[in-house]
Amino acid sequence: TQLLEQSPQFLSIQEGENLTVYCNSSSVFSSLQWYRQEPGEGPVLLVTVVTGGEVKKLKRLTFQFGDARKDSSLHITAAQPGDTGLYLCAGAPGNQFYFGTGTSLTVIP
Amino acid sequence: NAGVTQTPKFQVLKTGQSMTLQCAQDMNHNSMYWYRQDPGMGLRLIYYSASEGTTDKGEVPNGYNVSRLNKREFSLRLESAAPSQTSVYFCASSAIQGETNEKLFFGSGTQLSVL
Repeated sequence: TQLLEQSPQFLSIQEGENLTVYCNSSSVFSSLQWYRQEPGEGPVLLVTVVTGGEVKKLKRLTFQFGDARKDSSLHITAAQPGDTGLYLCAGAPGNQFYFGTGTSLTVIP
Repeated sequence: NAGVTQTPKFQVLKTGQSMTLQCAQDMNHNSMYWYRQDPGMGLRLIYYSASEGTTDKGEVPNGYNVSRLNKREFSLRLESAAPSQTSVYFCASSAIQGETNEKLFFGSGTQLSVL
């Protein structure tokens, strides 16, 4: 059983479309992070959300932390081929850093 | 800047063989981690070291041992490799464990196949 569940697991969309990726848990987190991983590389941190209800924007990416701090979402506006990759949410309810199951995004030109 | 360096990048083992995955970071970070990544499972924590001289088990420690050799280096050892240990292994480091804005820096991974 994964502490953090992501949906969808796979997503293939056309360039210019919008999409949302979800990260859900039954546990409360003091913060949640989103990472992006490209083939053959390790994950790279995109953002950290700390406050319940917080919204952060990174260019065309919008991240939201749920009010109860149990879930988060990532919305991409007008997706581009460069957004292709594996998106992972992560959180540390204690001393261990847990990662979600991942969403593999493919943006078709 | 090198960041987190893992060696080797690829390895093929036969069942029962042993090997050590090496990891070094040059960012003067206190905490280091070993993860494995399997399709559909995301990243799962094997072991971590909050600071030099300490190590603790993560989610999936069975079949592995670790050594925090010094502040820079954190190695992962498979004593008797099994096919279930076929995976991509990532080492990561962070400045201080447990802080709200803790950021993990990852190496580029080791792809291990156990036949």
